[in-house]
Amino acid sequence: GAVVSQHPSWVICKSGTSVKIECRSLDFQATTMFWYRQFPKQSLMLMATSNEGSKATYEQGVEKDKFLINHASLTLSTLTVTSAHPEDSSFYICSAGGLADYNEQFFGPGTRLTVL
Amino acid sequence: RKEVEQDPGPFNVPEGATVAFNCTYSNSASQSFFWYRQDCRKEPKLLMSVYSSGNEDGRFTAQLNRASQYISLLIRDSKLSDSATYLCVTDTGGFKTIFGAGTRLFVKA
Repeated sequence: GAVVSQHPSWVICKSGTSVKIECRSLDFQATTMFWYRQFPKQSLMLMATSNEGSKATYEQGVEKDKFLINHASLTLSTLTVTSAHPEDSSFYICSAGGLADYNEQFFGPGTRLTVL
Repeated sequence: RKEVEQDPGPFNVPEGATVAFNCTYSNSASQSFFWYRQDCRKEPKLLMSVYSSGNEDGRFTAQLNRASQYISLLIRDSKLSDSATYLCVTDTGGFKTIFGAGTRLFVKA
């Protein structure tokens, strides 16, 4: 399957700082990438859909000014959590899709964010 | 009501046992169905797609009942390495993907 990487894999920061998470498709061009958030023992929740060269589409309840998404190239999408607070502590996962007829998504390894 | 509902478990089974997970979905427009496996603190990985006719992959069998909006996963001859959380996933097309909260499985020796 296709390979998607994320960086960093783990980040701890102080409240009020901004954190950037990178998502890269290593061996294919991803026109669409997705950002999910997962709290402990809960399901993945789609935050936004990111299309290369255009503005991201955010799901209801997700603040676009707080979670800035940039998809400047076909292999890179970034999520910036601005002015992070402890309640933003979560597991953030990106995925790239559209490579197969059955809409399989290829997930990055995730980034665990802890805000102190 | 959640769009995709699963029994959270945990299911504790001995090695070699057969275990079945069920999942119901509420959106009748759902077109594609999947089971993903997620290990602790890791990203989900596709286990198998689920087709209307039912499909099998080794020890794993998936079934779909569109009329009842119900999906199942059967694992035969459970291995210790099967211990994980199994996520039921639906897609309405256009990548509107909905994940269930997962069913936790522990296989013990």
